[in-house]
Amino acid sequence: GNSVTQMEGPVTLSEEAFLTINCTYTATGYPSLFWYVQYPGEGLQLLLKATKADDKGSNKGFEATYRKETTSFHLEKGSVQVSDSAVYFCALRAQETSGSRLTFGEGTQLTVNP
Amino acid sequence: GAGVSQSPSNKVTEKGKDVELRCDPISGHTALYWYRQSLGQGLEFLIYFQGNSAPDKSGLPSDRFSAERTGGSVSTLTIQRTQQEDSAVYLCASSLDPGARGNTIYFGEGSWLTVV
Repeated sequence: GNSVTQMEGPVTLSEEAFLTINCTYTATGYPSLFWYVQYPGEGLQLLLKATKADDKGSNKGFEATYRKETTSFHLEKGSVQVSDSAVYFCALRAQETSGSRLTFGEGTQLTVNP
Repeated sequence: GAGVSQSPSNKVTEKGKDVELRCDPISGHTALYWYRQSLGQGLEFLIYFQGNSAPDKSGLPSDRFSAERTGGSVSTLTIQRTQQEDSAVYLCASSLDPGARGNTIYFGEGSWLTVV
């Protein structure tokens, strides 16, 4: 079956620090990969995605590269801001799964202090 | 509408009562999904609709949970005889053709359900 494993949180950083949130996956077939973000009190928003190997998704200074050889999709940002404080979810979508529904990791809580 | 719309945004109900949660997907999206997010837990898949039919109901936790979709658009998730463990955020999401690679699934703001 499909599964996503994220680094355990919570993660606490100071403003302007470098961020990495690790994500690895197991999938039957060739999935698309996503990072979603959930700000306090809000729903899930798509942050970035990649649909094939070596693709790099990027948005709002965040980046993640689809690494098929290591089955990974690590999220990075060079300089975090207080406004980046949120829960981050790594997810995969496989066409072989009914409805191509998303399979999520457990989420990583990020807190950025000024 | 511009995004996935859910109502109510917050619902407090007494144990044993029935509740209905509504989802209005993005116009033209044929696929619709319900997920549940409990406090401190991850995202749990409940049910998937393609058009008005539900080919995958495997995530519904018990027969107290049901859902329907009409006109290929609005969906209602019904929880009968609510229990305290049903307290969670219920998230609805929609997508264009799920068979097309890379299509994004868009989420609503969620319905926060508290059973007291």
